[in-house]
Amino acid sequence: KQEVTQIPAALSVPEGENLVLNCSFTDSAIYNLQWFRQDPGKGLTSLLLIQSSQREQTSGRLNASLDKSSGRSTLYIAASQPGDSATYLCGNMLTFGGGTRLMVKP
Amino acid sequence: GAGVSQSPSNKVTEKGKDVELRCDPISGHTALYWYRQRLGQGLEFLIYFQGNSAPDKSGLPSDRFSAERTGESVSTLTIQRTQQEDSAVYLCASSKSSGRYNEQFFGPGTRLTVL
Repeated sequence: KQEVTQIPAALSVPEGENLVLNCSFTDSAIYNLQWFRQDPGKGLTSLLLIQSSQREQTSGRLNASLDKSSGRSTLYIAASQPGDSATYLCGNMLTFGGGTRLMVKP
Repeated sequence: GAGVSQSPSNKVTEKGKDVELRCDPISGHTALYWYRQRLGQGLEFLIYFQGNSAPDKSGLPSDRFSAERTGESVSTLTIQRTQQEDSAVYLCASSKSSGRYNEQFFGPGTRLTVL
C-alpha cells in the first residue's frame, strides 16, 4: 500500500528566501504525483502535476521534481512571499501526505 | 467553466442523524473522488467513481458511509447515524478520467460538525 510522507510538518522562513518542501513515497510504481496548496478553510488548489515519465515541472516560482528510484519529490519555491503562506500537500490520487504548513514572514 | 462545487458548505447536525453531502464535478470529468480531512490532518481517501461505478470503496470507514453517483455527474455521500468522530471537512475532487496521468481538481469542501 502506498504511503506518502511530508517533511517538515511546519516551516517558517523570512520573505525572499528560497525553500524546498519534501515528499517521500513508499511504492516506486507511481504514475504521477501532484502538488497542491491549501489555504485555511479552503479546498486544495493544484500547483503542479508530474507524470512518472517526467523528472520535473515548473510554473512561475515553483519547481517540482520527481525521483521514482529514491521515492522522493521536492517542491522548490523561489523568492518566497508572504502570500505563499499556506499548507502544501503532495499526493497520488488516492494517497496524500500530511502536508507542510508554510509561514513566510514579511 | 465552473470548477468542482460542493454543498452545503457547512452542516451542523445532531448525533444519530443522517446527512447527505453533494458534489458536482467539472463537466465532462468521468472520475470523482471523496476524501475526509480531520482538523489539522491530511486527506483520508474514502471512495472514487469512474463513471457511475465505484471500483474502490476501500476507504469507507464503516457501513454507515455510502456514496452514489448518477448520470456520470453529481455524487452524494451519505453518512447514517452520525457520530461525533465523523466531524471533519469532506472534500470532493474530479479528473478527466481515473487513468494514471490525470490532474485532480478539488472542491471547497463541506465542513460537517456533529454535536
